Amino acid sequence: QSALTQPPSASGSPGQSVTISCTGTSADIGTYGYVSWYQQHPGKAPKLIMFEVNKRPSGVPYRFSGSKSGKTASLTVSGLQVDDEASYYCSSYAGNNNVVFGGGTKLTVL
Amino acid sequence: QVQLQESGPGLVRPSQTLSLTCTVSGDSISSVTYYWGWIRQPAGKGLEWIGRVYVSGITNYNPSLKGRVSISIDTSKNQFSLTLTSVTAADTAVYYCVRDADYAAWFDPWGQGTLVTVSS
Repeated sequence: QSALTQPPSASGSPGQSVTISCTGTSADIGTYGYVSWYQQHPGKAPKLIMFEVNKRPSGVPYRFSGSKSGKTASLTVSGLQVDDEASYYCSSYAGNNNVVFGGGTKLTVL
Repeated sequence: QVQLQESGPGLVRPSQTLSLTCTVSGDSISSVTYYWGWIRQPAGKGLEWIGRVYVSGITNYNPSLKGRVSISIDTSKNQFSLTLTSVTAADTAVYYCVRDADYAAWFDPWGQGTLVTVSS
């Protein structure tokens, strides 16, 4: 069982927006502003797409945005594209030099 | 462009020791900015943070693996290594090495990953 809770699946049509949630506790997301998100296509290594809640690495489209409220972080993908179909994982610093991940959300672009 | 590459045996016998090495290119592993770490992913499942090492040799580990895991660094070879003892089938996974942004807890880039199967 993962420390952070994500919905197992999400879906949307091309051009639409979809939001993926990531719920933690006061020991991780609720206390620290160090939430990151990763995109993983089948058979590939994960790729960092968001860090420190809402910062995009160079090269990541503006269509991806992040936010946090209380113990829940969210990743929003706007203007869905076929290539956005992938699994998405959140992670958070959990204090005491420990990091926790979510179980992942498989995004389907219909 | 920073690149990481995992290497090591793909098959380990139960109760034996898993050993993997990550070779870093395009960046110095002696950088004071980053840690260097390991993350694993069982087939069809989520990611699990294993631990990390700093250039000074300081290490941090996932509490669930403490006692079995060790990560070391070799600055002369620009490599760092993972050792996991007393492995079981539950340790079967794709193992990724990563550059770790210290307290900010983000990982970039990732190695391509290497599958380690624990089986007799």
